[in-house]
Amino acid sequence: AQSVTQLGSHVSVSEGALVLLRCNYSSSVPPYLFWYVQYPNQGLQLLLKYTSAATLVKGINGFEAEFKKSETSFHLTKPSAHMSDAAEYFCAVYAGGTSYGKLTFGQGTILTVHP
Amino acid sequence: EPEVTQTPSHQVTQMGQEVILRCVPISNHLYFYWYRQILGQKVEFLVSFYNNEISEKSEIFDDQFSVERPDGSNFTLKIRSTKLEDSAMYFCAGGRGTNTGELFFGEGSRLTVL
Repeated sequence: AQSVTQLGSHVSVSEGALVLLRCNYSSSVPPYLFWYVQYPNQGLQLLLKYTSAATLVKGINGFEAEFKKSETSFHLTKPSAHMSDAAEYFCAVYAGGTSYGKLTFGQGTILTVHP
Repeated sequence: EPEVTQTPSHQVTQMGQEVILRCVPISNHLYFYWYRQILGQKVEFLVSFYNNEISEKSEIFDDQFSVERPDGSNFTLKIRSTKLEDSAMYFCAGGRGTNTGELFFGEGSRLTVL
């Protein structure tokens, strides 16, 4: 079985500051990991994904995440926050096998960006 | 760019009523899913659907729930007799069935049961 823990349900940063959203996972097999973003009144949009290629993954809107197997982490970062980054961010894990598309999500982190 | 579309965006219903949520997946997707998110909680897997049958379902997906894709286009989730605890955002998703698990989500249908 797999699980995802996102540390911090709310993160607040100033515009231009570093964004760091934490995600730790548990999986009995090598995982595939995702970050999704949900803007207000919108659906889940894929930000980036780790699929066992490069451990540093670049996504849309300047976000990136690093897969660290030793720490079972997949933290999301962005060097400089923008007001438009305010949203809820979800980390998710997929353990592969025949359960195609059965993702396990973290509880989400709401990012607030202050001017 | 193709996208997954869901209707209605918001539905309010009385407890005990039947609800049908509809989804039009991306045309080249083969696998279809429903997830739900109760307010303030995690996004949870409900069911996956492939080749016109359920391939996997969670313990949430009891006899009150059903899915079908009758015309090869719309993918529907039916809740036969809604309960208060069914109030949630329901997300449809599709995928090509690659082993990476990548999914494309719709914007969600918010269901409010009174």
